[in-house]
Amino acid sequence: KAGVTQTPRYLIKTRGQQVTLSCSPISGHRSVSWYQQTPGQGLQFLFEYFSETQRNKGNFPGRFSGRQFSNSRSEMNVSTLELGDSALYLCASSLSVGSNQPQHFGDGTRLSIL
Amino acid sequence: DQQVKQNSPSLSVQEGRISILNCDYTNSMFDYFLWYKKYPAEGPTFLISISSIKDKNEDGRFTVFLNKSAKHLSLHIVPSQPGDSAVYFCAASATGSNYQLIWGAGTKLIIKP
Repeated sequence: KAGVTQTPRYLIKTRGQQVTLSCSPISGHRSVSWYQQTPGQGLQFLFEYFSETQRNKGNFPGRFSGRQFSNSRSEMNVSTLELGDSALYLCASSLSVGSNQPQHFGDGTRLSIL
Repeated sequence: DQQVKQNSPSLSVQEGRISILNCDYTNSMFDYFLWYKKYPAEGPTFLISISSIKDKNEDGRFTVFLNKSAKHLSLHIVPSQPGDSAVYFCAASATGSNYQLIWGAGTKLIIKP
């Protein structure tokens, strides 16, 4: 069974640009969550999607947005990139929302802002 | 305000000995706790979890202990093996908050041969 796939693995952008990251969940998983990880910090929750609807949202500015498609694949978009957006962005999938099921993570997209 | 704290950024343990990783939390509403392990260039992988109705959960070499009165949990790895060298994250969730996971900053465990 294929795991969670995130593309691209690495990305370099400059300030002011925008970026779109992609996540394909494990087959059959309908919930997708996005996290930001910076050095010395835990995973900071961005948002969670289930059945194409955003179910939960973390404390990030509106420049961070996401969506989920009918096949459960998800994208997140960051507009007007800032230096502080440099981080590892992780996607995790689980069967559904509203339970304590462990999340399964992809290997992340390393975003560097110059 | 960090609701989940892992106060040791790193820990070094001799191979074959016990590794003890600690995690403290401040939110008394947390009722489910998980440990994840992360190797460099890979995403975190689920290791073990514990519900607040228990004080111990064991899975092979891994045991998690929960002390609700102290708002403290720990992960014990016995015996420690070289492959256990990784960053370990503690995470917590509360039923009333849509099970959103709150994560600690992680502890880097180094197993010395």
